Amino acid sequence: KAGVTQTPRYLIKTRGQQVTLSCSPISGHRSVSWYQQTPGQGLQFLFEYFSETQRNKGNFPGRFSGRQFSNSRSEMNVSTLELGDSALYLCATSPGLAAPYEQYFGPGTRLTVT
Amino acid sequence: SQKIEQNSEALNIQEGKTATLTCNYTNYSPAYLQWYRQDPGRGPVFLLLIRENEKEKRKERLKVTFDTTLKQSLFHITASQPADSATYLCALDRTGGGADGLTFGKGTHLIIQP
Repeated sequence: KAGVTQTPRYLIKTRGQQVTLSCSPISGHRSVSWYQQTPGQGLQFLFEYFSETQRNKGNFPGRFSGRQFSNSRSEMNVSTLELGDSALYLCATSPGLAAPYEQYFGPGTRLTVT
Repeated sequence: SQKIEQNSEALNIQEGKTATLTCNYTNYSPAYLQWYRQDPGRGPVFLLLIRENEKEKRKERLKVTFDTTLKQSLFHITASQPADSATYLCALDRTGGGADGLTFGKGTHLIIQP
C-alpha cells in the first residue's frame, strides 16, 4: 500500500499571501487530520475530516481552513499568511470508522513565510 | 488547561541498556495513549497504543505502561541500539479514532551511544 503523500514538500511564501496544501491518504482511509509542528509548540491539532465533513477543529484562527473531497483527498488553506505560520504541516490518516486507530502521518509540507 | 510533559532534555543511553521515557499529563482523561517515533525531516511513525484499562503493552523490544492514577505513561526500549536514536512523542487520545485530534507532548530526543 502506498503511504500518505503530501504536496508540495517545501513552500516559501510572503506575508499576506495564501497557501493551499494537499494530502492524499492511504487507500481506504477516510479520516484525514492536519497538524502544525513548530519547535516551540510541538505538534498541534488543526482539524479532522471524515467523509467530506469536518468533525473537529483545534484552537486555530479562522485563517486556517480545510476541506475533503469524495475520494478522501484533503486540502488545507491558510489565508493572509503571518510569519508565525512558518512550520511543518503534517497530515495524518486512519480508517476512521471505529476506535481505536493509530494515525499514519505523511512526510509533511515545510512552509516558510518571509 | 491540558498539559502533557515529556523529558525536555535529550536522553543519552549506552547501547544495550534499557531506555525509559516518561510522559506525564494533567487535566486530561484520555481513553487511549499512543507513542510515536519521529526522525528528522519526517512525519511521526506509530509505535504502540494502550487503552486506559490496560496496564502494560509490549511489542518486540518496546514496552509501554499506563497509570491513570498517576497520570503517567512510561515507554521502555530494551537492548537499545543506535538505530533507536530519534525523538519519541506521546499522544493522548480521548476518542481513539482521532476525531478529537491527538494531543501530543513535545517529545524526548533519545540518543543511543555505541
